[in-house]
Parts: sequence; C-alpha cells; structure tokens
Amino acid sequence: DSGVTQTPKHLITATGQRVTLRCSPRSGDLSVYWYQQSLDQGLQFLIQYYNGEERAKGNILERFSAQQFPDLHSELNLSSLELGDSALYFCASSSIGGTEAFFGQGTRLTVV
Amino acid sequence: GQQVMQIPQYQHVQEGEDFTTYCNSSTTLSNIQWYKQRPGGHPVFLIQLVKSGEVKKQKRLTFQFGEAKKNSSLHITATQTTDVGTYFCAGPALTGGGNKLTFGTGTQLKVEL
Repeated sequence: DSGVTQTPKHLITATGQRVTLRCSPRSGDLSVYWYQQSLDQGLQFLIQYYNGEERAKGNILERFSAQQFPDLHSELNLSSLELGDSALYFCASSSIGGTEAFFGQGTRLTVV
Repeated sequence: GQQVMQIPQYQHVQEGEDFTTYCNSSTTLSNIQWYKQRPGGHPVFLIQLVKSGEVKKQKRLTFQFGEAKKNSSLHITATQTTDVGTYFCAGPALTGGGNKLTFGTGTQLKVEL
C-alpha cells in the first residue's frame, strides 16, 4: 500500500459527460501528480500541484482541469468526455525534496 | 520536449533466463528512476540513480546510469515468474518550479515456466 488513495476505482460514463476523480496523497506529501495511462500512450504526465498551486503542466487537454485543496487532496475534472478519454488515471505524490513518485491504485475510466 | 524511450517494448523469457531493458533520454537527466507495474496494478518505485556511471543492485536486479546521464539499464538475473510486469524508467524535468517526471515507453516482461 503506497498510502495514496484514489476514488473511485472504476467509472463508466457516457460521451459528453463530466466526471471528477479524487486523490488523497500520502501523509505529509505536498506534491500531487496526475498521469493518464492508455494502451498505446504509456504513462502521460498531465499536471502537478504543490501545496495548492499548479507547478508543472504536461499535455493536458483544455477539457481537463485539476486543483489541490487546502487539505492537500486533489481532484481531476474531465469534461465533454470522448471515447478516447477512456484510460487509467493515476495520481501520485512525493515528499518535500523527493522526486520519486508514489502511485495510487488508479481510476479506470470507461467512456461509452 | 523531453522524450524517454525504452527497448525492447516486449520481452518473453523462460524462467531462469536473464533480462535487460534499456532506457534512453533525449536530454541529460539529473537522476533516473525505475518503476515496476504488475499486470492490473500501479507503478511502484524501485530505485533512483543520481551519479554518472552509478551502478546499484537489489538482489537479482542491477541498475546502471550511463556516464553521460542520458541512458540507463535494468538487468534481471535468472528471472522468476514474480518478475512479470512492465518496467518503466523515468526522468525528472524541472519546469518553472515544478517537477515533471517523464516516463519511458516501458518494457513488458513475460516469464514462462
């Protein structure tokens, strides 16, 4: 158990809908990262937050947004969903000064 | 942008055979990390290498960081069925105060009895 909690584990939704994925980092970790993993794209970095502020951005679509709250949990919002958004979405956290990432179990999103 | 490639993409071995995956970055890395993802699981941190030419061992696993800090390798001696999974290398890219960890394309290892 990495100590990173993600909910829900599975999500099935229709095209055009909006979903919110939730992540609680390891106790004491200020950094939260979101990754998308699909079969043909590997692990793609989406966005990083550090203590509530956005710090780094990857190839995150404009339809996607994220935030980190004062209690350090983070949410990834995906809107106007398309079939191609079906993937595993991982959240990871790291400690202050550390670069290694500790991953949650992931949320498997299926868009139908 | 930074790209990290791994070869091979897939590897099937018989139990007891050795296995090696190679990682190459388009840019010099401050460090290289390795992760293992079991089928149906999440990536799990294995190790971090920082120094040029560094070699680290974890039981049957040997990790190496290239002299130019742009490539790395993971070698498994005498594979076991428990080694099955996808192995990723990852390199950090400092961007505007953030820490973007770019993952390699991964090598999927299958071990047959």
